[in-house]
Amino acid sequence: AQRVTQPEKLLSVFKGAPVELKCNYSYSGSPELFWYVQYSRQRLQLLLRHISRESIKGFTADLNKGETSFHLKKPFAQEEDSAMYYCALSGRGTYKYIFGTGTRLKVLA
Amino acid sequence: NAGVMQNPRHLVRRRGQEARLRCSPMKGHSHVYWYRQLPEEGLKFMVYLQKENIIDESGMPKERFSAEFPKEGPSILRIQQVVRGDSAAYFCASSVISGTANNSPLHFGNGTRLTVT
Repeated sequence: AQRVTQPEKLLSVFKGAPVELKCNYSYSGSPELFWYVQYSRQRLQLLLRHISRESIKGFTADLNKGETSFHLKKPFAQEEDSAMYYCALSGRGTYKYIFGTGTRLKVLA
Repeated sequence: NAGVMQNPRHLVRRRGQEARLRCSPMKGHSHVYWYRQLPEEGLKFMVYLQKENIIDESGMPKERFSAEFPKEGPSILRIQQVVRGDSAAYFCASSVISGTANNSPLHFGNGTRLTVT
């Protein structure tokens, strides 16, 4: 069964501290992983996708097929990073997206 | 491009009434997705539609819920005989299919918050 698990509902860190938002998935085929972000009073938007191997706003995420994980990382958190983060999974050949329950990141001054 | 437009933003219905939620995808997008977000929960997939076709409705409750995406006009999520448990935020997303999912990210609307009294 397709499943995305984000174990932390809330993650609080101080400004300048490293951040890691965890995401584990379960999928029998070839997964495609994404991180979406929702800032306060804004709509959900794509942050990054695993295939791009890009860094967006200082965030990176590496797909680890052995551990079935796609953790989101940033070395130095900023206050403007405070938002709700969702990990999402789709499968090659399908366009159905499954989302995790989300992690609220709070960056404290 | 105005982005994905959902209306209304807020909808209040009494138990037993019908709720109609509308979603206009981004220009050029032919695929629409509906998600439900219950309080304190994540986004739950409901249905995925292409113009005039339902591709995957595995997340839709079997009764009272239906969705359509006609050739002309917005996609409609219809909930008949609403109950208190239907109170949630309903999000629509659209995409243009281009190869793989990685090339076809979702663009979300602002959601419709349904309250059943």
